[in-house]
Amino acid sequence: GIQVEQSPPDLILQEGANSTLRCNFSDSVNNLQWFHQNPWGQLINLFYIPSGTKQNGRLSATTVATERYSLLYISSSQTTDSGVYFCAGGNQAGTALIFGKGTTLSVSS
Amino acid sequence: SQTIHQWPATLVQPVGSPLSLECTVEGTSNPNLYWYRQAAGRGLQLLFYSVGIGQISSEVPQNLSASRPQDRQFILSSKKLLLSDSGFYLCAWGGQGGTEAFFGQGTRLTVV
Repeated sequence: GIQVEQSPPDLILQEGANSTLRCNFSDSVNNLQWFHQNPWGQLINLFYIPSGTKQNGRLSATTVATERYSLLYISSSQTTDSGVYFCAGGNQAGTALIFGKGTTLSVSS
Repeated sequence: SQTIHQWPATLVQPVGSPLSLECTVEGTSNPNLYWYRQAAGRGLQLLFYSVGIGQISSEVPQNLSASRPQDRQFILSSKKLLLSDSGFYLCAWGGQGGTEAFFGQGTRLTVV
């Protein structure tokens, strides 16, 4: 199966800073998602983005499928952005998403 | 709209006791269903997935089993829990063909 690598593993920011999280895949994917895990453990869907670019408020994501990577941009970070960000991908019908190990983001005021 | 229900939210069980976690999905038919486990607060490990009633694929050999008795019901079980079964268990559903997946709120299991 595919392997998913996320970087950096940890990120510490001051409020208002921008950040870029990266996700690399070992093989082509036809399903790619970004999630934010809240303090209660729930996974919140951020983007479903197998290719192209999407934006939602201060967050945006870009996937370059031909080069097997995806980027999540967080602009003007806020303390509420803290938590763990996961990317996950899948490459066959009927098989599940494979997750990276996550990036732990800490935003301080 | 589709919703996914998972219960209980937290569970403390003694070693050697049985386990049954239930997950149900509403508002969709023939969904792909998945069980994941998260240990030590990082990384989600795929345990089981199902593409239809009675069809279960296991990704990792372990002390757990899964069943899908109805189209929108997915159950995770164990006959005898081990300490290493502690963790955060998440159920998810996704459409056919690798479309977007959505997760339940999870069950935090502590085996003592």
